[in-house]
Amino acid sequence: GAGVSQSPRYKVAKRGQDVALRCDPISGHVSLFWYQQALGQGPEFLTYFQNEAQLDKSGLPSDRFFAERPEGSVSTLKIQRTQQEDSAVYLCASSLMAGETQYFGPGTRLLVL
Amino acid sequence: AQKITQTQPGMFVQEKEAVTLDCTYDTSDPSYGLFWYKQPSSGEMIFLIYQGSYDQQNATEGRYSLNFQKARKSANLVISASQLGDSAMYFCAMRENNAGNNRKLIWGLGTSLAVNP
Repeated sequence: GAGVSQSPRYKVAKRGQDVALRCDPISGHVSLFWYQQALGQGPEFLTYFQNEAQLDKSGLPSDRFFAERPEGSVSTLKIQRTQQEDSAVYLCASSLMAGETQYFGPGTRLLVL
Repeated sequence: AQKITQTQPGMFVQEKEAVTLDCTYDTSDPSYGLFWYKQPSSGEMIFLIYQGSYDQQNATEGRYSLNFQKARKSANLVISASQLGDSAMYFCAMRENNAGNNRKLIWGLGTSLAVNP
């Protein structure tokens, strides 16, 4: 079946612009995660959804970051007033249930100029 | 605090030989899971193998095996019969199972593996 998909794959934004990153999880997967991966680093947790409920947003670095999953499937990560330090790969992962193996999408590479 | 340590920034191996990638972890949760992922230059994080803290036997998946030493808090990945396509970054990650609603993965810094022909 289809894996996790993310769009866009690449995004260049000018500092101060708002961006929206989309994640389509594997069909039927209840849990959805967003991670941020800076160059040369391991991923860092941002936020976690179980169905439409955002159960953990402790990793969001500032109030400029906002995530939603209104119908319990597709999720959007929005970054307002982008800064250069937001440049990173944003990875989305889904799992069948909480505590199951997480499967990742190809990521969105965000470059803020 | 929970932590994953990968002490090998880069490793080289000859094609068809075996290689071990090191991972140590720190947690106070008695129930946890350990994962290895592969990240090729394309960027996608590919799941390789999983080991649960209560699993009695070391996990194996094809050419991948996990050398789990619980007392030493280590979970090394062994890749047998290396192939050129194994060249990639390899990440060790941990999930604590008694962290309430938190099901996040904690990640190491990764090891870059290069397979030489």
